Amino acid sequence: NAGVTQTPKFQVLKTGQSMTLQCAQDMNHEYMSWYRQDPGMGLRLIHYSVGAGITDQGEVPNGYNVSRSTTEDFPLRLLSAAPSQTSVYFCASSPLDGDSEPQHFGDGTRLSIL
Amino acid sequence: AQKITQTQPGMFVQEKEAVTLDCTYDTSDPSYGLFWYKQPSSGEMIFLIYQGSYDQQNATEGRYSLNFQKARKSANLVISASQLGDSAMYFCAMSQLPYLAGGTSYGKLTFGQGTILTVHP
Repeated sequence: NAGVTQTPKFQVLKTGQSMTLQCAQDMNHEYMSWYRQDPGMGLRLIHYSVGAGITDQGEVPNGYNVSRSTTEDFPLRLLSAAPSQTSVYFCASSPLDGDSEPQHFGDGTRLSIL
Repeated sequence: AQKITQTQPGMFVQEKEAVTLDCTYDTSDPSYGLFWYKQPSSGEMIFLIYQGSYDQQNATEGRYSLNFQKARKSANLVISASQLGDSAMYFCAMSQLPYLAGGTSYGKLTFGQGTILTVHP
């Protein structure tokens, strides 16, 4: 049982480059989300999705795009990387029908923008 | 808007002793969920315990218990019999429950800033 899989685990980009962080889950969860973790600030929600074809913005969406074409995958795109996007990114998933079901997190992607 | 406050940047405890990590929250929603996650130095987020706002009993999961005081809006995590492997960052988080959200706020978690727990031998 793989759970939530994030790739890559580490990435270094130059300012202005674009890239996609991948997230896949094999638990058939409807809800998927992306968070970023910065030192001293906890995790903040970037974007989330309640099912294929449905996405919405979280607390810090600027500079990021998402799409949800399948239940399993929820990629996060950085269109033009900026040093302020240096962070650790977590993908999470959970079912929609259980209010006590915790979100399952991937192991994170550590991203550095030079 | 929801807000979670963890006022202890760092805590120290002796092995085998109990420790309480503080968490206070602010929300106008009558129904919500409270979670605690552990993040060891390896970086993964590990779910520990959940408390629903309408649960009458405090949640317990093994050595973890949640001291839920709804009137004071606090949800403190109690770890009994601390172990060296408990050394980690601990996050308190709150979610808005689905049936209040009109289908657009499912599972959105608001996190506190975290508390670093160090267990001494």
